[in-house]
Amino acid sequence: GDSVTQMEGPVTLSEEAFLTINCTYTATGYPSLFWYVQYPGEGLQLLLKATKADDKGSNKGFEATYRKETTSFHLEKGSVQVSDSAVYFCALRGTGYALNFGKGTSLLVTP
Amino acid sequence: EAQVTQNPRYLITVTGKKLTVTCSQNMNHEYMSWYRQDPGLGLRQIYYSMNVEVTDKGDVPEGYKVSRKEKRNFPLILESPSPNQTSLYFCASSPKDRGRTNEKLFFGSGTQLSVL
Repeated sequence: GDSVTQMEGPVTLSEEAFLTINCTYTATGYPSLFWYVQYPGEGLQLLLKATKADDKGSNKGFEATYRKETTSFHLEKGSVQVSDSAVYFCALRGTGYALNFGKGTSLLVTP
Repeated sequence: EAQVTQNPRYLITVTGKKLTVTCSQNMNHEYMSWYRQDPGLGLRQIYYSMNVEVTDKGDVPEGYKVSRKEKRNFPLILESPSPNQTSLYFCASSPKDRGRTNEKLFFGSGTQLSVL
């Protein structure tokens, strides 16, 4: 079945460091791919999405490119801030109705 | 303000005592869903609803019930809670996006349930 695998956390970075959170997927057909972010004490929010191969989703300085050849959707940000500290979830929607979420990667950015 | 509202935010109960977690959305969304979030397991879907009177099981439906009598409300019912249902629960809703449901989920703030 459809599934998402993302890197284990926690990830700890200093402010202004470069961020990469890896995400790979297994799916039949052409899934849509998403990154959601969960700030402490809150529900998840959509951060960005891509619906077809080679699409790049971007928002708030974060980017991810849908790579069908490597079945990946890695999240990147050039310069992280303390306010980016959160849990990040990669997700996909395949042929079914459900969104399949990864296990989440916790990010802590220190001043 | 567009939002998904869950209540209560925190709940402590005892094994076997029936409880209901309410969920309401004011965005006229067709799709609603319940997830539970557990450390190391991420989010797992419990039940979902494509529209009024249409519900279906997700990945972990055992021990839960839902109903969708009105478009805005989607309560989660635990008839006989057990300690393994201690978890953080999220309700989510979604509009139809270009004819496809569930492209963008709007989440509630969560309900932390402890079953003793």
